[in-house]
Amino acid sequence: EAGVTQFPSHSVIEKGQTVTLRCDPISGHDNLYWYRRVMGKEIKFLLHFVKESKQDESGMPNNRFLAERTGGTYSTLKVQPAELEDSGVYFCASSQEGQGFWTEQETQYFGPGTRLLVL
Amino acid sequence: GQQVMQIPQYQHVQEGEDFTTYCNSSTTLSNIQWYKQRPGGHPVFLIQLVKSGEVKKQKRLTFQFGEAKKNSSLHITATQTTDVGTYFCAAMTGSNYKLTFGKGTLLTVNP
Repeated sequence: EAGVTQFPSHSVIEKGQTVTLRCDPISGHDNLYWYRRVMGKEIKFLLHFVKESKQDESGMPNNRFLAERTGGTYSTLKVQPAELEDSGVYFCASSQEGQGFWTEQETQYFGPGTRLLVL
Repeated sequence: GQQVMQIPQYQHVQEGEDFTTYCNSSTTLSNIQWYKQRPGGHPVFLIQLVKSGEVKKQKRLTFQFGEAKKNSSLHITATQTTDVGTYFCAAMTGSNYKLTFGKGTLLTVNP
């Protein structure tokens, strides 16, 4: 079974440019999450999709970030315009539909991440 | 917002020594998960703890969840060079599925 994949693996852009990150979750996983790790800080939650719906977007830093999951399969995260402080590693994770009983179904499987550098 | 404190930030040991990392929260957790990230890699799920006072073992790794469900620890017995990496705890609260991560403990092992 293929794991979570992310594209691109690395991106270097200039301040003010636009970047779009893509995540393909594990097939059949309804839950898709975006996280970010800024240098020296902890991994922080950005948002959570259940199928195509945004379940929780409380971690999105500001309106320069736009996440979509049309059709409930892959997801994109667009940063427009990018700022220096957006540099970091963006992780995507997916999990099966959970029953709320905290079984292994809630396990979140992480992708390899996209390393974004804004100059 | 919810915070999970993890210590130590770094730990260097000689191969064969034991290692422990601790996570602590001011609020009661629904569950706590542990991940390992190898240098240049991504977080890989190790285990999930749900019940108060739960203890789980995976070979040389022992995971504990506190009685009050506010703290957790990961203990590695007789470290090996393959144990090198950053160990993260990550917690869920309530019925919310988002993970709140600790800052991680970077473990280096001297052969």
